[in-house]
Amino acid sequence: DTGVSQDPRHKITKRGQNVTFRCDPISEHNRLYWYRQTLGQGPEFLTYFQNEAQLEKSRLLSDRFSAERPKGSFSTLEIQRTEQGDSAMYLCGGGTLSTDTQYFGPGTRLTVL
Amino acid sequence: AQRVTQPEKLLSVFKGAPVELKCNYSYSGSPELFWYVQYSRQRLQLLLRHISRESIKGFTADLNKGETSFHLKKPFAQEEDSAMYYCALTTGFQKLVFGTGTRLLVSP
Repeated sequence: DTGVSQDPRHKITKRGQNVTFRCDPISEHNRLYWYRQTLGQGPEFLTYFQNEAQLEKSRLLSDRFSAERPKGSFSTLEIQRTEQGDSAMYLCGGGTLSTDTQYFGPGTRLTVL
Repeated sequence: AQRVTQPEKLLSVFKGAPVELKCNYSYSGSPELFWYVQYSRQRLQLLLRHISRESIKGFTADLNKGETSFHLKKPFAQEEDSAMYYCALTTGFQKLVFGTGTRLLVSP
């Protein structure tokens, strides 16, 4: 167990609805990463926080996506007006400033109908 | 641009056979290379990183800068090694760039 938790584990929604996912890393994780993984692919980077600051966003993160880490602890990823192409596993990874190792949560599987 | 290539989607071997999972990368600087593993119904976890030069669960990986490769090897595969393996690189304290993964199946 890496200590990183994600909620919910599964989400089924209809196209056009908004969804929000949550990631809770351990307190030592200054760095927090979001990735998206579709079938047959490796995880793809979405965005990265150092404490509460969002330092990098991928081009994959369209205007419909927004992520926050308001107090430098938990993080949320919101997708507005979901599309079927958003169906994927969303992974959260935590890390510290002293190492490049990332510790992953179990992921949230999103299905957009 | 950074890129990681894992040419094999599936590698099927018998128990006790040697295993080599291939990984090639593209990056102009000096990346850090990792192997992550995902066992059935478990989360993605770090298997090993090149900088530590250690052997984990009998697996080793050598960074070959000339061939830009970081192949994962094990001399004698075990059934419990069956899993999805991802090669990844990172530059500094930044994002991981993953390959598409190789599924290893070890049959008895």
